[in-house]
Amino acid sequence: RKEVEQDPGPFNVPEGATVAFNCTYSNSASQSFFWYRQDCRKEPKLLMSVYSSGNEDGRFTAQLNRASQYISLLIRDSKLSDSATYLCVVVSGGSYIPTFGRGTSLIVHP
Amino acid sequence: GAVVSQHPSWVICKSGTSVKIECRSLDFQATTMFWYRQFPKQSLMLMATSNEGSKATYEQGVEKDKFLINHASLTLSTLTVTSAHPEDSSFYICSASGGTGGSGYGYTFGSGTRLTVV
Repeated sequence: RKEVEQDPGPFNVPEGATVAFNCTYSNSASQSFFWYRQDCRKEPKLLMSVYSSGNEDGRFTAQLNRASQYISLLIRDSKLSDSATYLCVVVSGGSYIPTFGRGTSLIVHP
Repeated sequence: GAVVSQHPSWVICKSGTSVKIECRSLDFQATTMFWYRQFPKQSLMLMATSNEGSKATYEQGVEKDKFLINHASLTLSTLTVTSAHPEDSSFYICSASGGTGGSGYGYTFGSGTRLTVV
């Protein structure tokens, strides 16, 4: 089983839709979690950290479920500019080495 | 915010030559630098982790004699691809943490280097 798994998609949704991605991780000792956004041929950029209590930033909501070992990202009212690949990042306790999922591709169409 | 400057952005080189990629942290001290490689439509694959002043730790399957990493200062880490071959063509990207382990702060990425070996 891979350390961090994501459905590669693509998720093809109309503008205004709500879309959710999940990411599962295998290391129960993982301590930090992030969602990054990567546009084509560009470097990943931090979208948001994921906190145990869940957190929201505008249209984006991230949640962590330690018992089931997954994190989620919810995007409300999708915009065309949200089209990108969303990478799940998990950091193991102690090593501080981030492990990336392969990313979930989102395409928002008019 | 934290910025990591990576150069060059793209490079085309002949097979057998060496290419050096630099990553500089501009406004913070990068105690740890991660080097990744990303092939098209693939995930970022960690190649090595370097800590300032010590030898890099390479991931399994990454040749340390081919991918030379130097992290001589808290603001500069370099990756040299020696005797490059076409299969080394990829997107190389560095990422730095400022000693916090990334906890709550994430990791700052360089803009990446697209290497094409012909």
